[in-house]
Amino acid sequence: EAQVTQNPRYLITVTGKKLTVTCSQNMNHEYMSWYRQDPGLGLRQIYYSMNVEVTDKGDVPEGYKVSRKEKRNFPLILESPSPNQTSLYFCASSSGMGANVLTFGAGSRLTVL
Amino acid sequence: KQEVTQIPAALSVPEGENLVLNCSFTDSAIYNLQWFRQDPGKGLTSLLLIQSSQREQTSGRLNASLDKSSGRSTLYIAASQPGDSATYLCAVSPSTYNTDKLIFGTGTRLQVFP
Repeated sequence: EAQVTQNPRYLITVTGKKLTVTCSQNMNHEYMSWYRQDPGLGLRQIYYSMNVEVTDKGDVPEGYKVSRKEKRNFPLILESPSPNQTSLYFCASSSGMGANVLTFGAGSRLTVL
Repeated sequence: KQEVTQIPAALSVPEGENLVLNCSFTDSAIYNLQWFRQDPGKGLTSLLLIQSSQREQTSGRLNASLDKSSGRSTLYIAASQPGDSATYLCAVSPSTYNTDKLIFGTGTRLQVFP
């Protein structure tokens, strides 16, 4: 089954403790991206990657890092999480530029205390 | 800066009603517009994608229209069913470079009761 898999789905952590949210897709998609969803603000793009070793900032990249060493994986790294990073995170992928439908993961709900 | 607004924020209707969800965007220079459905714990599902050169798209009981010049899109749901209960999100692709980047509205939460 074609899918985007995120882990963990739920996480409660404390300020400053580094964490990684993994994202993996099995569709050989070139494009991958991360969004966060907050009440009243909708989904906002954090980072995106157009291909292996090619990443760029989205609209809200502060406090996050990403890497794209393999085509299928696009982990989101929070080096020193803060409470304002408490959010619902989505990973998405598509086959490339233009007229493409994004496939979203099920989401990862992160709480930073 | 592109902004996407959805009205109403929430809607509750009896089963069988036809309904319209509204989406507006501030910058008409879009690449495409999509409507998504969001179910709790299940991520987002793309319902319809309209290219900037198109006026509408249809899938089953769903019809989405796009008026780029006025910055508006509507999602029409015919003969609503309880299974249609979800949050519906409108999103635009704002550029020709990062065309898979989406700017989302905050959604319309729909409840269809039997």
